[in-house]
Amino acid sequence: GQQLNQSPQSMFIQEGEDVSMNCTSSSIFNTWLWYKQDPGEGPVLLIALYKAGELTSNGRLTAQFGITRKDSFLNISASIPSDVGIYFCAGQSGNNRKLIWGLGTSLAVNP
Amino acid sequence: SAVISQKPSRDICQRGTSLTIQCQVDSQVTMMFWYRQQPGQSLTLIATANQGSEATYESGFVIDKFPISRPNLTFSTLTVSNMSPEDSSIYLCSVEDDAPPEFFGPGTRLTVL
Repeated sequence: GQQLNQSPQSMFIQEGEDVSMNCTSSSIFNTWLWYKQDPGEGPVLLIALYKAGELTSNGRLTAQFGITRKDSFLNISASIPSDVGIYFCAGQSGNNRKLIWGLGTSLAVNP
Repeated sequence: SAVISQKPSRDICQRGTSLTIQCQVDSQVTMMFWYRQQPGQSLTLIATANQGSEATYESGFVIDKFPISRPNLTFSTLTVSNMSPEDSSIYLCSVEDDAPPEFFGPGTRLTVL
């Protein structure tokens, strides 16, 4: 099935560094969602975006809905060890309720 | 957001057997979904659980293998039938009300020997 292009696939950073990851699609989306999944847990919603150009923050996390409606990025500022996990983007288009998922970005933080 | 629970949280099963996973939400929701997440992979939608009618399955998933029930707006079950080791995965239920986003349960980690 259709999947989003999510990059990078993995990151290993030092505590305190900023992180950026992004997702791109060949088709237009009406909604972009960013989730974080810890080992052994279900994905937890971080940020939801509903309008092209929308920039939304949640604490140290900031995400933007690209103006072309085909991409989105997530930034994490001043990373801390508990940011470790897998980050997934997901998009939804039109009247199709089905989410299209990225393959995930695995983040490791060295304290 | 809704509080979602799943039972069991994990299980180890023998091939050829079946396992039923339950998903309970603390409030009525419009949509309930079932996903499979194979080790190290992204999420794959199995089906949409429809209240009072047959589930809507995605390509590659069939009712005989993954029967789903949704008797009301707060509860659904997924059965993994005639299991093989290839069915070893995390199974997740998610809910959505009238609009996105989806919220996920904690998952059921299934190992088939």
